[in-house]
Amino acid sequence: KAGVTQTPRYLIKTRGQQVTLSCSPISGHRSVSWYQQTPGQGLQFLFEYFSETQRNKGNFPGRFSGRQFSNSRSEMNVSTLELGDSALYLCASSSGVGRGTDTQYFGPGTRLTVL
Amino acid sequence: GENVEQHPSTLSVQEGDSAVIKCTYSDSASNYFPWYKQELGKGPQLIIDIRSNVGEKKDQRIAVTLNKTAKHFSLHITETQPEDSAVYFCAATYFYNFNKFYFGSGTKLNVKP
Repeated sequence: KAGVTQTPRYLIKTRGQQVTLSCSPISGHRSVSWYQQTPGQGLQFLFEYFSETQRNKGNFPGRFSGRQFSNSRSEMNVSTLELGDSALYLCASSSGVGRGTDTQYFGPGTRLTVL
Repeated sequence: GENVEQHPSTLSVQEGDSAVIKCTYSDSASNYFPWYKQELGKGPQLIIDIRSNVGEKKDQRIAVTLNKTAKHFSLHITETQPEDSAVYFCAATYFYNFNKFYFGSGTKLNVKP
């Protein structure tokens, strides 16, 4: 079974631009979660989607948004990029049918650099 | 909200020795505790997990213990090998939190040959 895939793997943007990252979950998984990983803040939860609905979100500004499609693929968007948005963005997939404590499988991440 | 603390931040052991990484959590509602290994340039990989209805779980050289009363859980790696060198993260969450996991700050394990 193929794992979680994320595209692109690397991105370089400038301040003020916007960016869209994509995640394809493991086949059959309906939940996709997004995390931001930085050396200073570690792994921080952004949001989770299940069956095209956002079920949970973390403490990030509204510039961070996401969506999920009917095939469970998900995208996240960051608008008006700031230098502090430079990070590894990780997507995790799970079945989503448990009580919110599903085993999560992470993708390789997208490395975003904001100049 | 939940707060997960992880120690030590770095750990250096000789090949063949054991390594122990400890985490504490603050929310008594937490009931699922996975451990992840992250190698350079890769995403975190689940290596073992434990749910609050058990106190210990083993998988070959890796074991996790959970003490709900004290709100701490630990990762034990025996007979360490150079390929165990990586950053290890603990995490915690609870029912109906919709997969919002709280991660520890990570432990960089270095296994010297």
